[in-house]
Amino acid sequence: DAKTTQPTSMDCAEGRAANLPCNHSTISGNEYVYWYRQIHSQGPQYIIHGLKNNETNEMASLIITEDRKSSTLILPHATLRDTAVYYCIVRATTGANNLFFGTGTRLTVIP
Amino acid sequence: SAVISQKPSRDICQRGTSLTIQCQVDSQVTMMFWYRQQPGQSLTLIATANQGSEATYESGFVIDKFPISRPNLTFSTLTVSNMSPEDSSIYLCSVGLTGGSYGYTFGSGTRLTVV
Repeated sequence: DAKTTQPTSMDCAEGRAANLPCNHSTISGNEYVYWYRQIHSQGPQYIIHGLKNNETNEMASLIITEDRKSSTLILPHATLRDTAVYYCIVRATTGANNLFFGTGTRLTVIP
Repeated sequence: SAVISQKPSRDICQRGTSLTIQCQVDSQVTMMFWYRQQPGQSLTLIATANQGSEATYESGFVIDKFPISRPNLTFSTLTVSNMSPEDSSIYLCSVGLTGGSYGYTFGSGTRLTVV
C-alpha cells in the first residue's frame, strides 16, 4: 500500500521554483523518502532520496521536516521538460525492497 | 546506475495468445521487479523476480497468468498469458541493489495492446 499523500496536480511557471509536497505521516524510522518522476511514455526516473537531512543534487532538492512526516521536492528553475508525474515513495532499507507507487502529482510547467 | 534494455517496446496481440517480455541489464543486479501500468493509472507491482527460485507475486497476480523467469543476475522475462483486452497496459522492468538506500532503475516499458 502507498504510504504517501500528494496533491493530484500542480502548475508552475517556467523558470520559477516548483515545490511539490508529500505527506508521509506513518513513516518508520528505517524508511527513506524517494522521489521519482515519469515523463509521458517513459519509465520512471529516479530524482533524489533522503532519510533525515535535506538533500540536494543536480536535479533537485529534498526538504524533510524534522518529524519526518512530510517532505517537499524542489525543482529550482522549472523548465518545460520538467512536465511529468512526480511520485513520492517511502521505502525501508531492510525487508521488502520493492517500491509502491501512489497516484503522484502531475506537474505542468507553463511557458 | 544500471542500463536496462526492455523488449519489445510495443506490441499488438490477439486475445488468447501470450507475449513474453524481456529485460536485459548491463550489470549484475540483486533485485528485479515487474510492474504494470494500466492506461491513466499509476504503477502496480506484479512480482519480484528471484534468481534461481520462483518469483514472489503480489496480491491479485498469479504465476499461471504472469509466469516469470530469472535465469541469472542480468536477465528476466515476464509472460502475459492467455491475454484479454484488460491486459492492455504498459509493463515495466525495474532493477536495484539489495538493501541500503539505493534508487531503482526502470526500463522504458513495453506497451501492450490486446485486440
